[in-house]
Amino acid sequence: GAVVSQHPSWVICKSGTSVKIECRSLDFQATTMFWYRQFPKQSLMLMATSNEGSKATYEQGVEKDKFLINHASLTLSTLTVTSAHPEDSSFYICSADTDRGRGGETQYFGPGTRLLVL
Amino acid sequence: SQQGEEDPQALSIQEGENATMNCSYKTSINNLQWYRQNSGRGLVHLILIRSNEREKHSGRLRVTLDTSKKSSSLLITASRAADTASYFCATLKRTGFQKLVFGTGTRLLVSP
Repeated sequence: GAVVSQHPSWVICKSGTSVKIECRSLDFQATTMFWYRQFPKQSLMLMATSNEGSKATYEQGVEKDKFLINHASLTLSTLTVTSAHPEDSSFYICSADTDRGRGGETQYFGPGTRLLVL
Repeated sequence: SQQGEEDPQALSIQEGENATMNCSYKTSINNLQWYRQNSGRGLVHLILIRSNEREKHSGRLRVTLDTSKKSSSLLITASRAADTASYFCATLKRTGFQKLVFGTGTRLLVSP
């Protein structure tokens, strides 16, 4: 149980285009979802936290107009990278929490999406 | 930055040897977790230790926590080639909105 999927697993796009990444909780309801970014050989950095039905909370330094997050249902959150540029190339990982962000013990991670912007 | 630090950054050992990774963090925590990440893949949760615990075991894994020193260690005994991966500690803050803060990671290479 507690499986989180991401789609697509990898994407290549041209500079200036927008890319949408989906994060789904397959067998549980995710009240809170987290989006992380990971550059090569570096750690995960939290980008934003989203609760179902409300606006996402972005970490300092993350542009909310560039990284649009929608958490419209208890099983789906999407991250849209708008007007992508080569510096946005990274590994994007989502995780889902069943406890409205209170637990941390119940955070389940997706397999990640690798984005390459040419 | 609130990010924790891990050492060593990279560790290379032979199969059968033990591997020890250390993690230091900066704030008071509710718990500390260790994750494994194979190259280009997602995270696998290994073990969680709460702030009131000092040691925890799970199979070949042994985790210690010293809250006075704000540090933790992960010991993998009798390592195998399949243990080759990056290992990250992550802390859950004690106050405020709870989110995981990841350490810088240790890249472990286990040679046959």
